[in-house]
Amino acid sequence: AQTVTQSQPEMSVQEAETVTLSCTYDTSESDYYLFWYKQPPSRQMILVIRQEAYKQQNATENRFSVNFQKAAKSFSLKISDSQLGDAAMYFCAYRSVTGANSKLTFGKGITLSVRP
Amino acid sequence: GAGVSQTPSNKVTEKGKYVELRCDPISGHTALYWYRQSLGQGPEFLIYFQGTGAADDSGLPNDRFFAVRPEGSVSTLKIQRTERGDSAVYLCASSSDGYGYTFGSGTRLTVV
Repeated sequence: AQTVTQSQPEMSVQEAETVTLSCTYDTSESDYYLFWYKQPPSRQMILVIRQEAYKQQNATENRFSVNFQKAAKSFSLKISDSQLGDAAMYFCAYRSVTGANSKLTFGKGITLSVRP
Repeated sequence: GAGVSQTPSNKVTEKGKYVELRCDPISGHTALYWYRQSLGQGPEFLIYFQGTGAADDSGLPNDRFFAVRPEGSVSTLKIQRTERGDSAVYLCASSSDGYGYTFGSGTRLTVV
């Protein structure tokens, strides 16, 4: 079974600065998807970025980018030019591509606060 | 609808009671998922529907939990004889391709 670990429970960043959120995972599969989701107080999970394991190039979405290290099974999220609206819980998630179940396996999450 | 709708938004029930939580997915999304998120934790998978059938219910914690999706659209998560440990946010998500997921805002269940 796959596991996702987010070892930092909380992080804080100054507005306009850069912050990196860590995530590691464990799997025996060679192909899979990794995700970062943002969960504001409204509780709705919002997709931040997605990475396909077979792609070596790190995914980027505006101010958000990932550092995907497949051999190390590491998938960190970098937020550049942090904004007050980035404050939320962030979850790393894994999705297998084998089998019929397309469920997500989530980490415990990290609470990001942004200081004005 | 434009998004995934979950009702009620909040539910308080007494220990031992029966509750039903509803999820209305995006029209046309064949895949539907239920997750449970306890306080301070990440969502945990409960059950996955492909169409009307439960393709994987391995995450349901015990036989007090049951879910249906009779017409391949709306789904209902049913919890019998609720316990205080069932208190959590129950999230629903739907997908058309199994790679892009749209989540609802969840139902916060409190068992007193």
